[in-house]
Amino acid sequence: GIQVEQSPPDLILQEGANSTLRCNFSDSVNNLQWFHQNPWGQLINLFYIPSGTKQNGRLSATTVATERYSLLYISSSQTTDSGVYFCSEDPYNNNDMRFGAGTRLTVKP
Amino acid sequence: GAGVSQSPSNKVTEKGKDVELRCDPISGHTALYWYRQSLGQGLEFLIYFQGNSAPDKSGLPSDRFSAERTGGSVSTLTIQRTQQEDSAVYLCASRYGQGEAFFGQGTRLTVV
Repeated sequence: GIQVEQSPPDLILQEGANSTLRCNFSDSVNNLQWFHQNPWGQLINLFYIPSGTKQNGRLSATTVATERYSLLYISSSQTTDSGVYFCSEDPYNNNDMRFGAGTRLTVKP
Repeated sequence: GAGVSQSPSNKVTEKGKDVELRCDPISGHTALYWYRQSLGQGLEFLIYFQGNSAPDKSGLPSDRFSAERTGGSVSTLTIQRTQQEDSAVYLCASRYGQGEAFFGQGTRLTVV
């Protein structure tokens, strides 16, 4: 079946540092999304990015569908960025939204 | 509504009892999803609805789990004869077509 791999699984940063999170796919990438799950469990949609690059404040994302990966960039990290970052996509482009295992980010003050 | 609403927020039930979890999606959203998340784990896909039909039920863990969606809106996930391994957070999401998805706050189920 379709594999969604996220790396790294865990990441610890000092406040102010930059980071790159990656999502790899074993097959074509459809309707890629990035989410942040805060320490209280709420999942927030960061980007809907099937292709190209988007930016929102300190966060930006790039999806290269032809090479089957997406990157999430966090610049000048803050403690509030802590949590788990998930990517999702629709295998076979059939609206069947599946998630990677996530990257757990801890930003230390 | 303004966002995806799930109820109850928390549910404690005795082993062997049935439970119903409810999800109110964003108005007009055509697709609705249920996921299960155990402590410290990822999102386990359960089922999704396109309108009132469920094209993919492959994620339901056993025949004790069922779900329905009526009127293209509210969905109910039912777990019969609950077991302790059913304890988890159950998350619902909705979206319009294949666009941006939004999640509810989840229902934390504890089976004692």
